[in-house]
Amino acid sequence: GQQVMQIPQYQHVQEGEDFTTYCNSSTTLSNIQWYKQRPGGHPVFLIQLVKSGEVKKQKRLTFQFGEAKKNSSLHITATQTTDVGTYFCAGHGSNDYKLSFGAGTTVTVRA
Amino acid sequence: NAGVTQTPKFRVLKTGQSMTLLCAQDMNHEYMYWYRQDPGMGLRLIHYSVGEGTTAKGEVPDGYNVSRLKKQNFLLGLESAAPSQTSVYFCASSYWVAEETQYFGPGTRLLVL
Repeated sequence: GQQVMQIPQYQHVQEGEDFTTYCNSSTTLSNIQWYKQRPGGHPVFLIQLVKSGEVKKQKRLTFQFGEAKKNSSLHITATQTTDVGTYFCAGHGSNDYKLSFGAGTTVTVRA
Repeated sequence: NAGVTQTPKFRVLKTGQSMTLLCAQDMNHEYMYWYRQDPGMGLRLIHYSVGEGTTAKGEVPDGYNVSRLKKQNFLLGLESAAPSQTSVYFCASSYWVAEETQYFGPGTRLLVL
């Protein structure tokens, strides 16, 4: 079955620094979604990428979808304490109702 | 709109007891999902439904049953709880698969002793 892997599992960042988290699928995806879960909260949708090579930005967050539609990345610039949480990528395979989630990258920020 | 709601928020069960988790959504979504979240394992799909009266197995369906008698409700049942079912359970819904964005409920924390 389809597997989605994320690295790193944990990311400890100094406030103001940049970091990137990566998502890789064992199969080609029809789309990739990113969710954020604050500590004690529930996953909240951030963005969806559909096209090969697509890049989208949300303020300090930049999302990319690979050319082969098998990988994605989330880059955060000038990390703030509000960025704390777990970031999940998730993707649909072709003709698949089900969304396969990665294990997530948990981000902590040192002030 | 309340979005997606889940009851209860927290529950403690003894091994062998049964319970039902309720998920309700007021967004007229066709698709509903039950996930469990365990440390280091992300979200794993238990069961899902593509419409009223339909259900299907997800990645980890064993030990769980579901029903979707009304479009707005999706019930998750544990017939005989086991300690391995200690987890946080999230319900989610989406309008239809073409839109694909999932909206999550606040979660139910279940402890099985």
